[in-house]
Order: sequence, then C-alpha cells, then structure tokens
Amino acid sequence: IAGITQAPTSQILAAGRRMTLRCTQDMRHNAMYWYRQDLGLGLRLIHYSNTAGTTGKGEVPDGYSVSRANTDDFPLTLASAVPSQTSVYFCASSTSGMTDTQYFGPGTRLTVL
Amino acid sequence: GQNIDQPTEMTATEGAIVQINCTYQTSGFNGLFWYQQHAGEAPTFLSYNVLDGLEEKGRFSSFLSRSKGYSYLLLKELQMKDSASYLCAASDSNYQLIWGAGTKLIIKP
Repeated sequence: IAGITQAPTSQILAAGRRMTLRCTQDMRHNAMYWYRQDLGLGLRLIHYSNTAGTTGKGEVPDGYSVSRANTDDFPLTLASAVPSQTSVYFCASSTSGMTDTQYFGPGTRLTVL
Repeated sequence: GQNIDQPTEMTATEGAIVQINCTYQTSGFNGLFWYQQHAGEAPTFLSYNVLDGLEEKGRFSSFLSRSKGYSYLLLKELQMKDSASYLCAASDSNYQLIWGAGTKLIIKP
C-alpha cells in the first residue's frame, strides 16, 4: 500500500441497507477525515479523527458513524442508507490537524436506490 | 454564516495565463488552501497561504489578502493537463476546512 486507499471503488446499494466504506493509510498520519462531494457543492466534512481513539462530527454527520481503533484505518458506516446519501465519498489524512496538507484517497462512488 | 465563493467555470487558451479568484467569509481564519481535482479523481494539494502576499511555485502562484477575504490562484504557461477543477478552502477558527464548490478550468488549444 502506498498512500491512502479506499474500498469499494463504487457500490450500488438498496435503501435501508447497511454499508461500510473502508479507508486505510500507510503514512502514519494522526488525522483522518471523511468527506462527501456532490455536484455543485464543495466538499463537506462528515466526520474526522485527530488521533487514534478519538472522533468528531463534521458539517454533515447525520446518518453516518465512524470508528478509529488504530492509526491506519478509519471506516465510515451508513447504518440504514437513504437515497440522499448518493454521493462520492473521499477519505483523507494529514500529519496532524486540518491546517496540514490533506492527502485524499481515490474515492468511493455510492448510489443508493 | 461561513461561505466560499469562486467562479463555476472558466475557459483559457493553451500557453496563456489564467487567474482564479476566491473570496471567503469564515468565523476566524487559519489559512487558505488550493487543491486541484481532475475529473473522476481525488483532490491534490497545490498551495497554502496564511500570510498576506504571493507564494510562487513553478507555473502556479497563490495570493492572499486577509483584510479583503480574498485569494487567487494564478496559472502561467497553461498546458492541456491543467484542465481540471480548482478548489479553494479556508480554515476557520476551529481549524475546520470550509470548501468552495470549485472552478472548472477548460483549456482550449
């Protein structure tokens, strides 16, 4: 692994189903983030983690949960998907806080029907 | 509220110069980022300004005026590969990034 990876690349999901988007980084970055990107809107922060064991809510956290059991992994779970969660999801990491350069994963394109 | 404004789309000619403007309103300010995003790809870091003035990095330069809540990204000697969206993001008092919707730059031969 080099950098930050996400899985799956894309997914079509039925409404009401549970889904976990995976994110792994090998840069030993302390901080990690989940964003969603929708056409015509800026990136919106869903949840973040400043260090392993801690998480925080971003601008649009409702319907999503995260965990940070270790430094490398930061999964995002949709407990019961709804069509408004159709989006492209990006995971990112930085050395420490948000004023550091963020490195983004390739994204997951999620469609909820 | 917090807001970032940048033009939706711009067109420029290969070899020319283009300036992409960004204005921001945030509660507190801890710096301004520019990222490049090619279609279907992830954003990648271009520049970070926290002090007033111009930062030059090869063909790309970024300018910040904190008093005016204004930044611009200047791209020189445009190449076809510069066709992409350019995202402006400001760090607020809580060190959270507020992102603009991006400026799609189209380069014509």
